[in-house]
Amino acid sequence: GENVEQHPSTLSVQEGDSAVIKCTYSDSASNYFPWYKQELGKRPQLIIDIRSNVGEKKDQRIAVTLNKTAKHFSLHITETQPEDSAVYFCAAMDGGTSYGKLTFGQGTILTVHP
Amino acid sequence: SQTIHQWPATLVQPVGSPLSLECTVEGTSNPNLYWYRQAAGRGLQLLFYSVGIGQISSEVPQNLSASRPQDRQFILSSKKLLLSDSGFYLCAAGGDPAGGYTFGSGTRLTVV
Repeated sequence: GENVEQHPSTLSVQEGDSAVIKCTYSDSASNYFPWYKQELGKRPQLIIDIRSNVGEKKDQRIAVTLNKTAKHFSLHITETQPEDSAVYFCAAMDGGTSYGKLTFGQGTILTVHP
Repeated sequence: SQTIHQWPATLVQPVGSPLSLECTVEGTSNPNLYWYRQAAGRGLQLLFYSVGIGQISSEVPQNLSASRPQDRQFILSSKKLLLSDSGFYLCAAGGDPAGGYTFGSGTRLTVV
């Protein structure tokens, strides 16, 4: 089955700096890669996603890049703000079946210091 | 868009007691449904998924079971809870490559 590794496990930045979180996946058939933000005690919320036919996608301060050959994808947050502090999860979707299962990385705790 | 209703929000249960968590979906028909567990605020582990009524697939051998009696209803159960069943349980709908998952608000289960 799919295996997703996420790094770093914790990330601390100053407000205004950029933050980068990286993930690798094992199954070359995976074709959909979402990123979720989870605040303490809340449900994960989708913040951006990318499909395997696209190399990069941007939405305001957030961008995701995908390297299919190397099987890794990254989340980039620019001009970080304290409200960006949360746990971020990457995930990969099983592209070989119709079940749409997502395998998640272990999460990155991002702390943005004012 | 789809909405996931999940209850209860919190639950404290003694070891050996039964469990029933319910999830219902609005705004879509025949969704793929999933139960995830999150321990210690990190990592979402897929427990069960269902692609239709009565169709349940288990990802991890455990003390839990799932059922889908109706198209938009997904139930997580246990006959006898263990301490290790404590965690944050999330129901999700989706899995359609046209869009990602929508998560319910979750149930925080503490087994004492």
